[in-house]
Amino acid sequence: DTAVSQTPKYLVTQMGNDKSIKCEQNLGHDTMYWYKQDSKKFLKIMFSYNNKELIINETVPNRFSPKSPDKAHLNLHINSLELGDSAVYFCASSQDNRRYTDTQYFGPGTRLTVL
Amino acid sequence: KNEVEQSPQNLTAQEGEFITINCSYSVGISALHWLQQHPGGGIVSLFMLSSGKKKHGRLIATINIQEKHSSLHITASHPRDSAVYICAVIAFGGSEKLVFGKGTKLTVNP
Repeated sequence: DTAVSQTPKYLVTQMGNDKSIKCEQNLGHDTMYWYKQDSKKFLKIMFSYNNKELIINETVPNRFSPKSPDKAHLNLHINSLELGDSAVYFCASSQDNRRYTDTQYFGPGTRLTVL
Repeated sequence: KNEVEQSPQNLTAQEGEFITINCSYSVGISALHWLQQHPGGGIVSLFMLSSGKKKHGRLIATINIQEKHSSLHITASHPRDSAVYICAVIAFGGSEKLVFGKGTKLTVNP
């Protein structure tokens, strides 16, 4: 049973396209996150949702829009993809709604390549 | 200069050696995380600490809030410990922010 799952694992697409990455957690957690890991392996938080509500939106272009249909899902939609969006995107979840202080459980990552 | 600095960037050890990875930060924090990223890419949370020391198996994490420094120690290292170890701090300042170090790549040879 995968605790935090992401689909797809790999995504290759052309510049200008719109794409989505899905994330689901079966841990019953209240808080979910999206992270971006660039080519230098540097992790950066993008968004955090608690019970379907946006808590944190770091300085991310508005081409990125998270959508949370319920507290077990946090999908990431990216419009007008650019070369610089190529990265590995990780979803994570945590039980506690106090930001960042609880253990986070990470998904396996989605490697996005924009050509 | 990054708010969170890790050293060394790369570390190669022989199986059985005692390993220390360091994390220094320049901001006020409420807590600090240590994460492990496996060669396959998966990320696991190892510790979250705000003071003192925590131990889990062969891993020990310490933090000195006054000195703005944390260390991750691995005793009796094993090739399966080979991974990137990432320090992340929960920084104060208006709203809290999660700031990551660039990671330390550890290779343990048999």
